[in-house]
Amino acid sequence: GAGVSQSPSNKVTEKGKDVELRCDPISGHTALYWYRQSLGQGLEFLIYFQGNSAPDKSGLPSDRFSAERTGGSVSTLTIQRTQQEDSAVYLCASTFNPSSGNTIYFGEGSWLTVV
Amino acid sequence: AQSVTQLDSQVPVFEEAPVELRCNYSSSVSVYLFWYVQYPNQGLQLLLKYLSGSTLVESINGFEAEFNKSQTSFHLRKPSVHISDTAEYFCAVSPMIKAAGNKLTFGGGTRVLVKP
Repeated sequence: GAGVSQSPSNKVTEKGKDVELRCDPISGHTALYWYRQSLGQGLEFLIYFQGNSAPDKSGLPSDRFSAERTGGSVSTLTIQRTQQEDSAVYLCASTFNPSSGNTIYFGEGSWLTVV
Repeated sequence: AQSVTQLDSQVPVFEEAPVELRCNYSSSVSVYLFWYVQYPNQGLQLLLKYLSGSTLVESINGFEAEFNKSQTSFHLRKPSVHISDTAEYFCAVSPMIKAAGNKLTFGGGTRVLVKP
C-alpha cells in the first residue's frame, strides 16, 4: 500500500491477556517507530528500529512490552498480561532515512481497549 | 533530552478568523521542528517543518510557522480558518544528532474547533 498500515484497527481484550499489534511500514523505509497516544499522556515514544535492530527502546514502559521487526519490514508490538492502563492508541510510523529531519509518516493506529 | 510545551490545550475560533497556536521547546542540542495535524478519526499528518534556512515556513493549505531561536518557539498561524481546519495540532522536535534516529518528541497537542 501507499501508506503505513496497522492492524488490527481496533482491539478489545480482557485484562491479563496478551495482544499483538502489527505494522507494515511504507515500502523501502528503513526506520520504524512505535508511539502511544493516550488521554493525559499525549504522544509517547516507545521504540525505534533501524532495519531489524532497535537502537532506542527507552520508551517501552515495562518489561511487559516488547517489539520486533523482521526482514527490515513488518514490525510487531507485543503487550503481555495487559492492564487497563495499557488502553491507548498505538501508532506506528516510518521514514526512509532517519536523519536530516526527513518526514516521518504515521499509520492510523491500533485502538486498544483493556477491559 | 527534549521537551515541547503547547500552551493552549483548546482553541475555539470562528470561521474566517485568524488563529495562532503556540509552541515552545527546550533542548540541549539543535533540533528540527515540526507541526503535525490529526483530523477527527484519522492519523497524524505532517503539516510543515523547519530544517534550516528561512525561519518562516508555509504549508500548502495556508498555515505558516516561524522559528524563533532566541525564544525557542515555533508558533503556528493561519490568517483565516475554515471549518475543515477543525483538528488537533501537535508541535514536535527531533534532535540534529544522527544517533537519535530522528526520534520525535511531541507537545501535548492543541485542539482547534472552528465555529461557523
